[in-house]
Amino acid sequence: DIQMTQSPASLSASLEEIVTITCQPSQDIGNYLSWYQQKPGKSPQLLIHSATSLADGVPSRFSGSRSGTQYSLKINRLQVEDTGIYYCLQGYSAPWTFGGGTKLELK
Amino acid sequence: EVQLVESGGGLVQPGRSLKLSCAASGFTFSDYNMAWVRQAPKKGLEWVATIIYDGSRTYYRDSVKGRFTISRDNAKSTLYLQMDSLRSEDTATYYCATEEQGFDYWGQGVMVTVSS
Repeated sequence: DIQMTQSPASLSASLEEIVTITCQPSQDIGNYLSWYQQKPGKSPQLLIHSATSLADGVPSRFSGSRSGTQYSLKINRLQVEDTGIYYCLQGYSAPWTFGGGTKLELK
Repeated sequence: EVQLVESGGGLVQPGRSLKLSCAASGFTFSDYNMAWVRQAPKKGLEWVATIIYDGSRTYYRDSVKGRFTISRDNAKSTLYLQMDSLRSEDTATYYCATEEQGFDYWGQGVMVTVSS
């Protein structure tokens, strides 16, 4: 199985700050990487697919990138509504596997 | 508007069975691969199973293989998960999701508790 190492596990940031979350797969996954946001008591929501493509309706302050074998989610100008838990997911090889999650809070 | 509504959850004893349903609307169900994803209390997300748009192929994580069966009825726009020989470690909220560019749309989830 492909392991997805996500970091940091938790993060506290200020309003308008730039936030970056990373995922490192245990083997090559091409661009089969997506990012999700989950708010307390709610279902996850797709933010980014194919490593860099913004999902429909997602604010443009969210972006995804890839540098070598590492994938990143960046949030520009953090807003109050961006708090929650973020997960990455590899869809390259079954079983699809999620990262452990990053809990993002406001400072 | 895409809607996915799960049902069928509840409290069940270890070793017993439960069948989840996911009613889909707002899109052409028969065009989409579908999946079940679960989340144990206070834990992360875990993919459970996927079924191809026409039902021709299914995929499972190892821990549920041989116990869970994913199926679909395209005429009824409904996805199912038959869960047999349930274990305490299957306790989780189960979400159904469309699977195209990752998991694009999710239901609200249904809780399954396996306990004596």
